[in-house]
Amino acid sequence: GQQVMQIPQYQHVQEGEDFTTYCNSSTTLSNIQWYKQRPGGHPVFLIQLVKSGEVKKQKRLTFQFGEAKKNSSLHITATQTTDVGTYFCAGRRLNQGGKLIFGQGTELSVKP
Amino acid sequence: AAGVIQSPRHLIKEKRETATLKCYPIPRHDTVYWYQQGPGQDPQFLISFYEKMQSDKGSIPDRFSAQQFSDYHSELNMSSLELGDSALYFCASSPGLAGSTDTQYFGPGTRLTVL
Repeated sequence: GQQVMQIPQYQHVQEGEDFTTYCNSSTTLSNIQWYKQRPGGHPVFLIQLVKSGEVKKQKRLTFQFGEAKKNSSLHITATQTTDVGTYFCAGRRLNQGGKLIFGQGTELSVKP
Repeated sequence: AAGVIQSPRHLIKEKRETATLKCYPIPRHDTVYWYQQGPGQDPQFLISFYEKMQSDKGSIPDRFSAQQFSDYHSELNMSSLELGDSALYFCASSPGLAGSTDTQYFGPGTRLTVL
């Protein structure tokens, strides 16, 4: 079964509205990475979170890693049409190598 | 900056045929990962290599094999293709030890269609 759950699956927002996607792992993660994938494209690395409770910001994007290192979130403030795409979280499990376990992704559409 | 290169970008095969996908990692990256992404799905880990040795194995069918060569490029060999093998195949590379916190950089992918 899916080891990293991500919700929602789809999110439709009006341009200027905020957007949040959440990831939850059944096991503790060593770190989590976030990727953005445009239709027909490949996952593009956004950020990596390693420390418990870590918060990182990239312009309008805010990433959080939970205290227990089992959950994470990505929040976009004041969405723009260029934010359209599917956002994936991908975690690395403790002592299980470098492979990434992806969440199902959240597909964001932004209406101008 | 140089990125991960994958070839071919598109591949159409018949059932029971074989296919070879190639991946050229970012220079000085010695770890390569292969992922399979079905339509509307998230990428699923197949296999990884570090310093030319297999470092981890995921949900890769026995019909598939892969290796990493001395120049660090990797090839994914797929035999007895099935309709269900139709997917996007991504290669990702990272500069560190398999299992490190290094970022994985994804290539553009190979879209395999099995008819």
